[in-house]
Amino acid sequence: DAEITQSPRHKITETGRQVTLACHQTWNHNNMFWYRQDLGHGLRLIHYSYGVQDTNKGEVSDGYSVSRSNTEDLPLTLESAASSQTSVYFCASSESLGLAGGNTQYFGPGTRLTVL
Amino acid sequence: AQKVTQAQTEISVVEKEDVTLDCVYETRDTTYYLFWYKQPPSGELVFLIRRNSFDEQNEISGRYSWNFQKSTSSFNFTITASQVVDSAVYFCALSDKYSGAGSYQLTFGKGTKLSVIP
Repeated sequence: DAEITQSPRHKITETGRQVTLACHQTWNHNNMFWYRQDLGHGLRLIHYSYGVQDTNKGEVSDGYSVSRSNTEDLPLTLESAASSQTSVYFCASSESLGLAGGNTQYFGPGTRLTVL
Repeated sequence: AQKVTQAQTEISVVEKEDVTLDCVYETRDTTYYLFWYKQPPSGELVFLIRRNSFDEQNEISGRYSWNFQKSTSSFNFTITASQVVDSAVYFCALSDKYSGAGSYQLTFGKGTKLSVIP
């Protein structure tokens, strides 16, 4: 069965370290997304990609970067982790609909990141 | 401005009661999409339903039903005869041309935590 996986599921790191969270999907979806979930803020979009070599900033992109070298993977990198980046991170993917948009996003299981 | 409002932060019901979760959205687009997701205590986000703005028919799936009313910009979710397994946080989301940082991104409400007491 097609799926979307994230690793690691839990991560503890120190302030200032570089951290990369992995996201892998076997749906063959062109669109991939990264969100963070925080109490009181709900889910907020960090970065997204509509295909290989395409990346775009979301609502809360400062301090994060992504790269898309193939269809299946969209790793999220925290260049220099800060305590404010302690959160639960969700990856999602969807089929592309061109300009029509609105396609259903399917989410991975999440990664809980703690920055000490 | 908040585009998706879930005014009920937390709701508690006794098992077998019916419960309605409210969702009010705001958009200036004529083509948009509405979603509901469930987040059980285990933490994953589970897709429940997607509706487009041109389809106002109510939908029923087992004990779940959704009432979409464009006149009031609402997309409410009702669980009939609630069960303990329905305990979760439920998110309503909107996708329109003006969403977030790019066209047709998902804008989520802040969620409603439903507790079903046995």
